[in-house]
Amino acid sequence: QQPVQSPQAVILREGEDAVINCSSSKALYSVHWYRQKHGEAPVFLMILLKGGEQKGHDKISASFNEKKQQSSLYLTASQLSYSGTYFCGTEGGGAPGGGADGLTFGKGTHLIIQP
Amino acid sequence: NAGVTQTPKFQVLKTGQSMTLQCAQDMNHNSMYWYRQDPGMGLRLIYYSASEGTTDKGEVPNGYNVSRLNKREFSLRLESAAPSQTSVYFCASSEALAAPSYEQYFGPGTRLTVT
Repeated sequence: QQPVQSPQAVILREGEDAVINCSSSKALYSVHWYRQKHGEAPVFLMILLKGGEQKGHDKISASFNEKKQQSSLYLTASQLSYSGTYFCGTEGGGAPGGGADGLTFGKGTHLIIQP
Repeated sequence: NAGVTQTPKFQVLKTGQSMTLQCAQDMNHNSMYWYRQDPGMGLRLIYYSASEGTTDKGEVPNGYNVSRLNKREFSLRLESAAPSQTSVYFCASSEALAAPSYEQYFGPGTRLTVT
């Protein structure tokens, strides 16, 4: 079942913060986050595993709440380069499959950063 | 190291015509995937191959067939194209096959229009 992302779209000024949420109705083993710019392929940001810790690099981080089957992506002090559509992809079953069965993606969150 | 390559980049078909989308990866990855992306729908898994010699249906397999030709190549065939198959098609690959879950690398996409 497709995870639900919120919000659907957000417009920010450069330097502001944003949070994107991803919720699933089924038990998850991992949550992947990707960013896609218009006309390009999705690009990997990070993976959060069941039982793992919050991850982050630069000013982008994410968390995974196993009890609620939710993940959140945090973008701090946003830059113009952060604009794009963010997708979460989930790997279900509650057990490791290495992602070999493919991911179920949400419909995406459109992020627009204005100068 | 080209990563994941797809051919063709663009294609226009008439209803009922057939074609094969080609995908190759040079990262020695075990798993390969075909997704389609429609406006507002996110990425949906068509077929995947967890390892050389195996293929399985994803969320939206109807109207498609796949072949895992070898470890590098994974093709997607439309036997009788329909306007509902107008979409952007992405091929992806990952190491997979073992925990923890691995990131997926996407090709540049094929933009297909069926008239």
